[in-house]
Amino acid sequence: KQEVTQIPAALSVPEGENLVLNCSFTDSAIYNLQWFRQDPGKGLTSLLLIQSSQREQTSGRLNASLDKSSGRSTLYIAASQPGDSATYLCAVADYDMRFGAGTRLTVKP
Amino acid sequence: DTGVSQDPRHKITKRGQNVTFRCDPISEHNRLYWYRQTLGQGPEFLTYFQNEAQLEKSRLLSDRFSAERPKGSFSTLEIQRTEQGDSAMYLCASSPPGQGAYEQYFGPGTRLTVT
Repeated sequence: KQEVTQIPAALSVPEGENLVLNCSFTDSAIYNLQWFRQDPGKGLTSLLLIQSSQREQTSGRLNASLDKSSGRSTLYIAASQPGDSATYLCAVADYDMRFGAGTRLTVKP
Repeated sequence: DTGVSQDPRHKITKRGQNVTFRCDPISEHNRLYWYRQTLGQGPEFLTYFQNEAQLEKSRLLSDRFSAERPKGSFSTLEIQRTEQGDSAMYLCASSPPGQGAYEQYFGPGTRLTVT
């Protein structure tokens, strides 16, 4: 059974810092890995999708990497802003989609 | 708006009552998923439809839960005899056919509170 773990569970940084969120998974036979953002009480917004054949994807200040062999992905956020404050979830798609518990990010002005 | 929509957004019910939620996927998407999310946790998979066929059900989906997608468009999730442990956010997602099948687009969710 696929297990997805996200570390840290919570992170607080001052505005302007670059930061890295981590996601690990136990079974490397995945179709893709997706990073989502979730604001309190809201649904999920897709940020980046990395296909199993890809190593990384970039969108604006976000960069996600995937290392299937080690079962790891990182989400890099450059020049963080208070508006980036949210919970970030990673999910791996194999037979179905399994989510980590998320990292709750707070960016202080 | 052409995103995934869910109705209602919030539902408060008393224990033992039945509730039904609706999900309207993105129009060209043939796959539809239901998830449940409790506080501080990631979403947990409940069930999955391809067109009108329910292809997979999680063991989380007890016999009090039933989902339908009768015409391959919108879907409903019904919970009978609700229990306090059913309180959660219920999320719906859809994905397109073909190679994009594994990129899911989520709705805003229905928050259920059972008192």
